[in-house]
Amino acid sequence: NAGVTQTPKFQVLKTGQSMTLQCAQDMNHEYMSWYRQDPGMGLRLIHYSVGAGITDQGEVPNGYNVSRSTTEDFPLRLLSAAPSQTSVYFCASSYSTGISGANVLTFGAGSRLTVL
Amino acid sequence: AQSVSQHNHHVILSEAASLELGCNYSYGGTVNLFWYVQYPGQHLQLLLKYFSGDPLVKGIKGFEAEFIKSKFSFNLRKPSVQWSDTAEYFCAVPWNNAGNMLTFGGGTRLMVKP
Repeated sequence: NAGVTQTPKFQVLKTGQSMTLQCAQDMNHEYMSWYRQDPGMGLRLIHYSVGAGITDQGEVPNGYNVSRSTTEDFPLRLLSAAPSQTSVYFCASSYSTGISGANVLTFGAGSRLTVL
Repeated sequence: AQSVSQHNHHVILSEAASLELGCNYSYGGTVNLFWYVQYPGQHLQLLLKYFSGDPLVKGIKGFEAEFIKSKFSFNLRKPSVQWSDTAEYFCAVPWNNAGNMLTFGGGTRLMVKP
């Protein structure tokens, strides 16, 4: 049981390049989300998905795209990388509680991105 | 909008010292509160959570937190820290009442000196 797997762990891009951060989970979780972690700012929600085919914007969505074609995968795309997107990115998943309420997130190991 | 503030950005303690990390929240829905921890080089993992019931919540590794509704606080405590508690600690609440996504505080980096 691998949990949440993120690839790559490290990536260096030049300004204007595009790339995709991969996230896969094997727990059949309905909910998946992407966060970026910057010093002193905690983690901020970029995009999230409540199930296959359904995505929505979080707190800081600009410059990022997502899709959710399967329950397992939730890739994050940077369309035209900018230095401001230098960060550590975390993917997380959780299952639905069935009624309104919170749940525990399982996080991936993170992907460290540097944009020059 | 929901928000979380952590008062201490960096804390340095000696082993066996007591720890209290502050967390205040602004949240309009059902109160659900979390503390996550990130050990050096590792991913975030749950330390403890409060959903309802006893406001004093016990988590892993001897940590506890107390939900004080009147103060909008959920401070994290440990009576005696160890070197292995060196980590970054994050308080969190549900994002926009969506319980499966979170809003995090800015984090507190704890260093415990042996």
